[in-house]
Amino acid sequence: DAGITQSPRHKVTETGTPVTLRCHQTENHRYMYWYRQDPGHGLRLIHYSYGVKDTDKGEVSDGYSVSRSKTEDFLLTLESATSSQTSVYFCAISESQGAADTQYFGPGTRLTVL
Amino acid sequence: GQQLNQSPQSMFIQEGEDVSMNCTSSSIFNTWLWYKQEPGEGPVLLIALYKAGELTSNGRLTAQFGITRKDSFLNISASIPSDVGIYFCAGQGTGNQFYFGTGTSLTVIP
Repeated sequence: DAGITQSPRHKVTETGTPVTLRCHQTENHRYMYWYRQDPGHGLRLIHYSYGVKDTDKGEVSDGYSVSRSKTEDFLLTLESATSSQTSVYFCAISESQGAADTQYFGPGTRLTVL
Repeated sequence: GQQLNQSPQSMFIQEGEDVSMNCTSSSIFNTWLWYKQEPGEGPVLLIALYKAGELTSNGRLTAQFGITRKDSFLNISASIPSDVGIYFCAGQGTGNQFYFGTGTSLTVIP
């Protein structure tokens, strides 16, 4: 299994509160991703990082920010959580090897915003 | 954002039967990945494909990278109860983003 951990694994919070989710990898991979998974939508990319301090927006980035100060950590922050952000959040990592890119996922964080 | 068309959405099969599912895209991809996800877990990579026409096996699983580079197929032979789960395809174009299908839910009836 790829060395990816996510914390917390479960969180319940209230609307309007800030929330930070952490992804930690031990593989030294360059690329890290945050997805959300919702019924009927599959996995949708929120933000991704292609190196320390290098990040870019994904398909559903509104309301989210990210930071990557170290290769191994990628943080996802909800500045002011809303009920529409109730979801399961997955972190993923990949390492580009020419044409042979492969992506591995963490175990997920279930976030409930009341 | 781009989403892949994955079919079927769900399958109910008898143990021992073979399973086929596929993904199609309007765009050309350079990489196709197939994942399995079980309840409460993250997707687990099953097979990775990197060349058009490539056929790759992993035990009872076989996947193919379509010649047009716009589709991929996953077959499971002689299904068993532990094959139950949701199977996702993912494709990657020239950038570093991966695009996902909406999943095929597989139920195996003993």
